[in-house]
Amino acid sequence: LAKTTQPISMDSYEGQEVNITCSHNNIATNDYITWYQQFPSQGPRFIIQGYKTKVTNEVASLFIPADRKSSTLSLPRVSLSDTAVYYCLVGDMGSSNTGKLIFGQGTTLQVKP
Amino acid sequence: NAGVTQTPKFQVLKTGQSMTLQCAQDMNHNSMYWYRQDPGMGLRLIYYSASEGTTDKGEVPNGYNVSRLNKREFSLRLESAAPSQTSVYFCASILTGAGYGYTFGSGTRLTVV
Repeated sequence: LAKTTQPISMDSYEGQEVNITCSHNNIATNDYITWYQQFPSQGPRFIIQGYKTKVTNEVASLFIPADRKSSTLSLPRVSLSDTAVYYCLVGDMGSSNTGKLIFGQGTTLQVKP
Repeated sequence: NAGVTQTPKFQVLKTGQSMTLQCAQDMNHNSMYWYRQDPGMGLRLIYYSASEGTTDKGEVPNGYNVSRLNKREFSLRLESAAPSQTSVYFCASILTGAGYGYTFGSGTRLTVV
C-alpha cells in the first residue's frame, strides 16, 4: 500500500476555503485516493474518492494532478463544525481487491470563529 | 437504520480476561475490517476479511483473533486481555468497487485494568 504524507495540523477561519494536500509518491496504477473525516469519539466518515483529475460532491472537491503523486482536498467555506481530523488514504478499491486501507496520522483542522 | 452496528459500546476488563467484540452490517458489503485507535493516534488495522470465509492479518494482529461468521458479521476476540489493548475499536465495511468508501461503526471503548 502506498504511504501518504499530509500536514499534521492546519488552522483556518470560518468562511474560508481550506485546501489540504496529501503526498503519495508511490501510488500504484490501480490505487484510488480516498479522504475521510473524523470527529472526536466517532468513527471516520467517508468524504470523497477519486482516481484522476477532479471530483466534486456536495461536501468537498478532490484535485488530482496528472502524475497522481499528490492530491488536494478542498473544503469550501468552512464552518466551526468542520473542525476534525482528515485522513488521506491510497489503496486499490476495485471490486476484485481487498479494499484494505492503512490510516496515517491525518491532518487536524481547527476552524476558528 | 442501515449501517454498521458494534456491541458493546463500552467495556472494562481485568488483565487476562477474554471477550468478543461484535460487528454486524446490513448493507450487503463484502469486506469487513477491525481497527483500533489509541488516544491522539490514527487508526491501525488489526484484521480484515475481504469476503465471507476469508480473514487476513493487518498491521497489529498480535493478541487478537477474528471470525467472519457470515457475510453480515465479523467478530474480534481478545483471548487474554492486556492493558496495552486499552483502545477504541472500530469495525468498518465496504462494497469494493462501489466507490463510496468504508462505513464505520460507532466504536467500542475498551479499558483493560
